[in-house]
Amino acid sequence: DARVTQTPRHKVTEMGQEVTMRCQPILGHNTVFWYRQTMMQGLELLAYFRNRAPLDDSGMPKDRFSAEMPDATLATLKIQPSEPRDSAVYFCASGPGQGTYNEQFFGPGTRLTVL
Amino acid sequence: DAKTTQPPSMDCAEGRAANLPCNHSTISGNEYVYWYRQIHSQGPQYIIHGLKNNETNEMASLIITEDRKSSTLILPHATLRDTAVYYCIVSFTGANSKLTFGKGITLSVRP
Repeated sequence: DARVTQTPRHKVTEMGQEVTMRCQPILGHNTVFWYRQTMMQGLELLAYFRNRAPLDDSGMPKDRFSAEMPDATLATLKIQPSEPRDSAVYFCASGPGQGTYNEQFFGPGTRLTVL
Repeated sequence: DAKTTQPPSMDCAEGRAANLPCNHSTISGNEYVYWYRQIHSQGPQYIIHGLKNNETNEMASLIITEDRKSSTLILPHATLRDTAVYYCIVSFTGANSKLTFGKGITLSVRP
């Protein structure tokens, strides 16, 4: 059963530290999304890639966040330096990028706490 | 993308049908209606989508009004495991276009 995997599942860090979250999309999927979920803002799209190229990162604070896809099996989201307001659950999702509909497969999320 | 409006919450009895409404009065001709759900502490899960015809799959049915300004997601026999936040989203065609999640509707299934 193909699934999106994310590591770590939980991360507690102190303000100012660098945080790297990793995502392995479903094999064969060419589109990868990063979302952030908080109680206040709900589920927000941060960035997404197709064929490893960034298509839209307008939802991401550029000064401290960066997203990359070093290869087709790995997507990373980095925060440097982290701040308490970055505390949230970060979800990665992947999609097949084919056809005309928009089924995205979500990972279990990384729960980030910045103290 | 067109906006959607959903009531904040509803409940239903286990075994009964759950009918979840969604308004999308500004939907345009080539926008699809998608439904996702999020069970507590999990990532969202795709349920179903449609353009203008009613759709059914193993999870649910989607009824879209003829003018496409509203739709209803039907879970025919709700179980306790269907307790979740359900998101109605309108999105343009094109594989993996952006999805904009609103607040959704919290469905509570009671025993």
